[in-house]
Amino acid sequence: AQSVAQPEDQVNVAEGNPLTVKCTYSVSGNPYLFWYVQYPNRGLQFLLKYITGDNLVKGSYGFEAEFNKSQTSFHLKKPSALVSDSALYFCAVRDPTGANNLFFGTGTRLTVIP
Amino acid sequence: ETGVTQSPTHLIKTRGQQVTLRCSSQSGHNTVSWYQQALGQGPQFIFQYYREEENGRGNFPPRFSGLQFPNYSSELNVNALELDDSALYLCASSKDRPLRETQYFGPGTRLLVL
Repeated sequence: AQSVAQPEDQVNVAEGNPLTVKCTYSVSGNPYLFWYVQYPNRGLQFLLKYITGDNLVKGSYGFEAEFNKSQTSFHLKKPSALVSDSALYFCAVRDPTGANNLFFGTGTRLTVIP
Repeated sequence: ETGVTQSPTHLIKTRGQQVTLRCSSQSGHNTVSWYQQALGQGPQFIFQYYREEENGRGNFPPRFSGLQFPNYSSELNVNALELDDSALYLCASSKDRPLRETQYFGPGTRLLVL
């Protein structure tokens, strides 16, 4: 069965510092991994995805994620955090059975401190 | 913005009532998935519609039902509302069902059941 773990409910980082939001996954077969961001009272906004190929995936707004198959991880990173990056971040894995729906983690709240 | 729209934005119902939520998919997308996001949780998959047929279902009771129309817009119907149905309901559209496709989310409908 597929699962996603986001071990940190909350991450605080100072503006200008690098940020990392952690995600580990478990899925049968090839992993298809996604990161979404949710701002208050808004839907989910797609950031990036890993399907195959290069382990370092670049996405929107300067975010990138590193796929590590041996550690079954897909951590989200950004070299220099902005206050406007403060939001709720969700990691998701595509369920390869049935409808190929997304299976989400519980989310990590990122706060960037000015 | 993704081009996925949902209506209404907010809704208040009482226990036992029925509710219909609506979603218009992004242009060129023929697949709509519905998710329930309870407070403090990640989205959970309800069901998916592909070319007007239910294509998969999560762990939700039959009182959650849906439709997809020829223009690929979709409805989510919930009968006999319970207090625990209070949540943000998100729809997402994608271009076909393949594993590699990205799901793009609408802003959601916030349902409160009293």
